[in-house]
Amino acid sequence: AQTVTQSQPEMSVQEAETVTLSCTYDTSESDYYLFWYKQPPSRQMILVIRQEAYKQQNATENRFSVNFQKAAKSFSLKISDSQLGDAAMYFCALTNNAGNMLTFGGGTRLMVKP
Amino acid sequence: GAGVSQSPSNKVTEKGKDVELRCDPISGHTALYWYRQSLGQGLEFLIYFQGNSAPDKSGLPSDRFSAERTGGSVSTLTIQRTQQEDSAVYLCASSPQGPREQYFGPGTRLTVT
Repeated sequence: AQTVTQSQPEMSVQEAETVTLSCTYDTSESDYYLFWYKQPPSRQMILVIRQEAYKQQNATENRFSVNFQKAAKSFSLKISDSQLGDAAMYFCALTNNAGNMLTFGGGTRLMVKP
Repeated sequence: GAGVSQSPSNKVTEKGKDVELRCDPISGHTALYWYRQSLGQGLEFLIYFQGNSAPDKSGLPSDRFSAERTGGSVSTLTIQRTQQEDSAVYLCASSPQGPREQYFGPGTRLTVT
């Protein structure tokens, strides 16, 4: 069985500042994939960033980057230059090499203060 | 291109009635998933379809839940004899073959009164 844990139910950041959302996971698989999804009030789950476990280099997408620590089973998301539109629920998720399902963490609600 | 679509957007039903929720995946995506998002349980996997293979039904919470996928495209999730605990947002996602990222639809909010 695989599990994903997000220990921060809520986070707050000032506009233009940087914030880091934490995620830890557990899996017995050697090949797996990690994701961060954003869910604004519209309910639409939007992919933010993806990381393949076999890649040592941390993924980056514009203002979003991850700190992937495989040995520690940690996968944190850093949002730089936070914008009001970044306010949403953020979910960390894990899938194995078969890609048969995503296991989600409990989510972190990010608030951005103007 | 068009994303994943789901209908209806919202559904209110009486306890004991049957409901059908529909999902149209992204064209060409071979994998289709259903998840349930509720306040108490977070995001739960329900069922997974991959091409013409038998679906993975391991996440369905009871035999009142079933799903089918016709012609490798559109999927319908059916809940029979709805209960109040079935109230949740039902999310559908699709993915190209393999362990790729999943693309989600806007969800159907089901309320059982």
